[in-house]
Amino acid sequence: GQNIDQPTEMTATEGAIVQINCTYQTSGFNGLFWYQQHAGEAPTFLSYNVLDGLEEKGRFSSFLSRSKGYSYLLLKELQMKDSASYLCAVLDSNYQLIWGAGTKLIIKP
Amino acid sequence: GAVVSQHPSRVICKSGTSVKIECRSLDFQATTMFWYRQFPKQSLMLMATSNEGSKATYEQGVEKDKFLINHASLTLSTLTVTSAHPEDSSFYICSADVGTGPRKLFFGSGTQLSVL
Repeated sequence: GQNIDQPTEMTATEGAIVQINCTYQTSGFNGLFWYQQHAGEAPTFLSYNVLDGLEEKGRFSSFLSRSKGYSYLLLKELQMKDSASYLCAVLDSNYQLIWGAGTKLIIKP
Repeated sequence: GAVVSQHPSRVICKSGTSVKIECRSLDFQATTMFWYRQFPKQSLMLMATSNEGSKATYEQGVEKDKFLINHASLTLSTLTVTSAHPEDSSFYICSADVGTGPRKLFFGSGTQLSVL
């Protein structure tokens, strides 16, 4: 079956760095997405990786290793507003988006 | 980035009534739109894939007669929850596929449905 695993919850300190991991097992692969979702709001797009390596976009970076079925989202210089759920999603061979359950990130002052 | 508008953002209705939710792509044409529902503290659950000019493809376990989807134009898809019941109360979100370049989904702002 198709499966995406990410930690349920993580806690970090304001100003620090946090890495949220995502591992996947899907039927085919056409890219991996990271979305941010604040409570009561719809997800917002953060990143898309389809090739191996690190993509940096400001304070957020996303890494992909297709051979390992692994990705991480790296958040630097954490701010209180970064407290949210972070969703990992993989586009499979049928272009179906398979969603992880999300990682709730709690930022403490 | 592409903008997807979803309306209404919040609706409260009586049990037995029908509710229509609209999803519009404002600055691009979306041949494919997706409808999700999300229960509190849970991830998104895909309900159906809506293709312009054809019937929607529903996920297993989703009642097509209960959740009517219409995608009559390249910029508008609607989800109608028919004869709503309290168990239909949920957060409904649409997304649209930009369709060019790297595959990206852009989401509407969501609709919180509460059925009394």
